[in-house]
Amino acid sequence: QSVLTQPPSASGTPGQRVTISCSGSSSNIGSNYVYWYQQLPGTAPKLLIYRNTQRPSGVPDRFSGSKSGTSASLAISGLRSEDEADYYCAAWDDSLSGYVFGTGTKVTVL
Amino acid sequence: EVQLLESGGGLVQPGGSLRLSCAASGFTFSSYAMSWVRQAPGKGLEWVSAISGSGGRTYYADSVKGRFTISRDNAKNTVYLQINSLRAEDTAVYFCAKCITIFGVQGLDYWGQGSLVTVSS
Repeated sequence: QSVLTQPPSASGTPGQRVTISCSGSSSNIGSNYVYWYQQLPGTAPKLLIYRNTQRPSGVPDRFSGSKSGTSASLAISGLRSEDEADYYCAAWDDSLSGYVFGTGTKVTVL
Repeated sequence: EVQLLESGGGLVQPGGSLRLSCAASGFTFSSYAMSWVRQAPGKGLEWVSAISGSGGRTYYADSVKGRFTISRDNAKNTVYLQINSLRAEDTAVYFCAKCITIFGVQGLDYWGQGSLVTVSS
């Protein structure tokens, strides 16, 4: 049972903006950085956003992260077919002394 | 180029043991914590364990504490996960991942291709 809650699915047409939420608590998102991962079908996850808002080299600026209180969001603007994947948020949890992933959101490009 | 190559997965009977290995290359291995993450078939990601760059600090998910042991050999650029008392619910693809820091678990910026562990009689 994950302590970070995400919507199970999100969708949009090419070019649209899609936002994925990640809800946590004071022991994880509220006091630590949030990270976002993209997992394309049949592949290993890829780091998409680190330290709430930062993009690793090579990640398009269509992807952006934000955090407010005990929640975080990932926005994908200018949606493209290759963005169809599962997306996970993650953070360190001080109460669990462990790293926790969100429940995951499947993004579909209509 | 950073590369992480897992090995050691396979079919194991309930109650059995297995040791996963992850050979790393392309970065200064001892300068980064390493982590293991698993994904059961059709399910989401679950963090399992991590170890600091020196190997002096280890971290475990509650679900595996007492059964799994993480270790590393910085001379061989390899991280290990010893899995004991295997249960059916341990069936998953196990990913090795490089942390972005030397201590703790923050971002995981490079991942291996995964090693499948199947627990079944």
